[in-house]
Amino acid sequence: DIQMTQSPSSLSASVGDRVTITCRASQNIGNFLNWYQQKPGKAPKLLIYSASTLQTGVPSRFSGSGSGTDFALTVASLQREDIATYYCQQSHSTPRTFGQGTKMEIK
Amino acid sequence: EVQLVESGGGLIQPGGSLRISCAASGLNVSSNYMTWVRQAPGRGLEWVSIIFSGGTTYYADSVKGRFTFSRDTSKNTLYLQMNSLRAEDTALYYCTRGRIYLDYWGQGTPVTVSS
Repeated sequence: DIQMTQSPSSLSASVGDRVTITCRASQNIGNFLNWYQQKPGKAPKLLIYSASTLQTGVPSRFSGSGSGTDFALTVASLQREDIATYYCQQSHSTPRTFGQGTKMEIK
Repeated sequence: EVQLVESGGGLIQPGGSLRISCAASGLNVSSNYMTWVRQAPGRGLEWVSIIFSGGTTYYADSVKGRFTFSRDTSKNTLYLQMNSLRAEDTALYYCTRGRIYLDYWGQGTPVTVSS
């Protein structure tokens, strides 16, 4: 099975900061990498698919990059409504494993 | 508008069985790849199982041999039959749509395995 490792596990940043979360796959997954946002008490929401394609309706301050084994999710200017836990997921092969999550907080 | 509505969760004793459902509207379950994802209390997301549009299923190692993913195309409904339940199966179970990415999610149905 492909293991997905996110870092950091949590981060605290100020409104307006540029923040980056990384995700590393245990083997080459091409660009089969998705990012989800989960707010407390809510179902996850798709943010980015195929490593860098923004899902319809997602603010342009979110962006994704990477290929192969190393990926990143960047928020260009953190907003209060971005407080959530973020998960990466590989869709290269089954089981389609998730990273352990990154909890984002406002400083 | 696509809607996925899970139901059937509840409290079940270890070793017991439970079947949870996902009623879909706005999409045809027979022509989509559908996935179950679960989340234990206070924990991260865990991929559970997928059914391809052709009917092939795959499972996480943690549930293989105990869970069965099926669908009823006449009711446009998905099912997850869970047998030999363990305490570690306690989670909120989400029904989702997608092959390469999961773009529609239900609100989840809670399953608690406890004596």
